[in-house]
Amino acid sequence: GQNIDQPTEMTATEGAIVQINCTYQTSGFNGLFWYQQHAGEAPTFLSYNVLDGLEEKGRFSSFLSRSKGYSYLLLKELQMKDSASYLCAVAPRSGGYQKVTFGIGTKLQVIP
Amino acid sequence: DAGVIQSPRHEVTEMGQEVTLRCKPISGHDYLFWYRQTMMRGLELLIYFNNNVPIDDSGMPEDRFSAKMPNASFSTLKIQPSEPRDSAVYFCASSVGRVNEQFFGPGTRLTVL
Repeated sequence: GQNIDQPTEMTATEGAIVQINCTYQTSGFNGLFWYQQHAGEAPTFLSYNVLDGLEEKGRFSSFLSRSKGYSYLLLKELQMKDSASYLCAVAPRSGGYQKVTFGIGTKLQVIP
Repeated sequence: DAGVIQSPRHEVTEMGQEVTLRCKPISGHDYLFWYRQTMMRGLELLIYFNNNVPIDDSGMPEDRFSAKMPNASFSTLKIQPSEPRDSAVYFCASSVGRVNEQFFGPGTRLTVL
């Protein structure tokens, strides 16, 4: 089975940096997704980490440590439009029929 | 491409009525997923299809829920009879490959009174 844990809510200030953590326990692991979901909208893809280390995409970066079962999403130069929920999701090994499992999501509020 | 299309966007019905949700995946995608999202439980996978064949329906809550995919461009999720606890947002998503990026539709907000 899979167990995913992330904080329920976070608040950060416009222009600042925020780190959203995700820990997971899984019987089979291929990689970890991060999705962004604005209120009332569908989740949209942000990143997919398969290898250990940090991957940067503009203001957003995602980190993975496979040995520690740990990932984080780093948002720099926060903007008001970054207020959203951020979902981490564990992807199983490519073989077999295991499904991608989503965490409950972290609701981020950016304040002026 | 128009992306994943879902209908209706909103559905309000009374307990005991049948509800049918519809989804058109992105052309060329071979996987289709049905999710339910609530505040308490987050995003839960109900069922997924590969090349129109149901692969894992272990997330379907009970026999009142059923899903079909008669062809590569259309899927339905049916609830019969509906109950107030079924109230949620239902998302359809599609992808190329089981573990690749999923593209979500806009969702159907279901309210059962």
